Amino acid sequence: AQSVTQLGSHVSVSEGALVLLRCNYSSSVPPYLFWYVQYPNQGLQLLLKYTTGATLVKGINGFEAEFKKSETSFHLTKPSAHMSDAAEYFCAVSDTGRRALTFGSGTRLQVQP
Amino acid sequence: SQTIHQWPATLVQPVGSPLSLECTVEGTSNPNLYWYRQAAGRGLQLLFYSVGIGQISSEVPQNLSASRPQDRQFILSSKKLLLSDSGFYLCASSSSTGGNSPLHFGNGTRLTVT
Repeated sequence: AQSVTQLGSHVSVSEGALVLLRCNYSSSVPPYLFWYVQYPNQGLQLLLKYTTGATLVKGINGFEAEFKKSETSFHLTKPSAHMSDAAEYFCAVSDTGRRALTFGSGTRLQVQP
Repeated sequence: SQTIHQWPATLVQPVGSPLSLECTVEGTSNPNLYWYRQAAGRGLQLLFYSVGIGQISSEVPQNLSASRPQDRQFILSSKKLLLSDSGFYLCASSSSTGGNSPLHFGNGTRLTVT
């Protein structure tokens, strides 16, 4: 079965600093990987996804993620944090058996002025 | 693009009362539909998914049930709520059976069982 581990339930960065949110996955088949963002009391919004092809994926709001098969990782980065990036971020892996996504436990990003 | 409508946005219900949460989808036909629950400080737990009218798969044993009476309508129900049913309920849809299809989420319903 597929699973996702997000290291660090809370991450705090200064405005303008690098954002790095970690995600490791476990999958017995080539995975499809996703990052979602959730603002308070809202649903989840897709940031980016990896299916096949280029391993560096660019998403919305300046975020990108790199699929590293050898490390089973899909870390999310952004070169310069903005106050509006404060939210909860979820990594997810496709679960083809259930035709659903399996989500990590989430990382709450705080951006300090 | 797909739009997911969920209502109500918030709900406070006493223990033992019934529940009905509704979700409708626009912008796609024959979607896969999902109910997830998000408990405080935890990730998203898949409760039910449906690949077609009347086809429901349950992921965890619980006192909740789901139904899909129409192609783009998904309902989450309970006959008697428990305190442990409190949480943030999210409806989602995807437009294909392929694993590379992202989920589109509604804005959720925050349920508090008192």
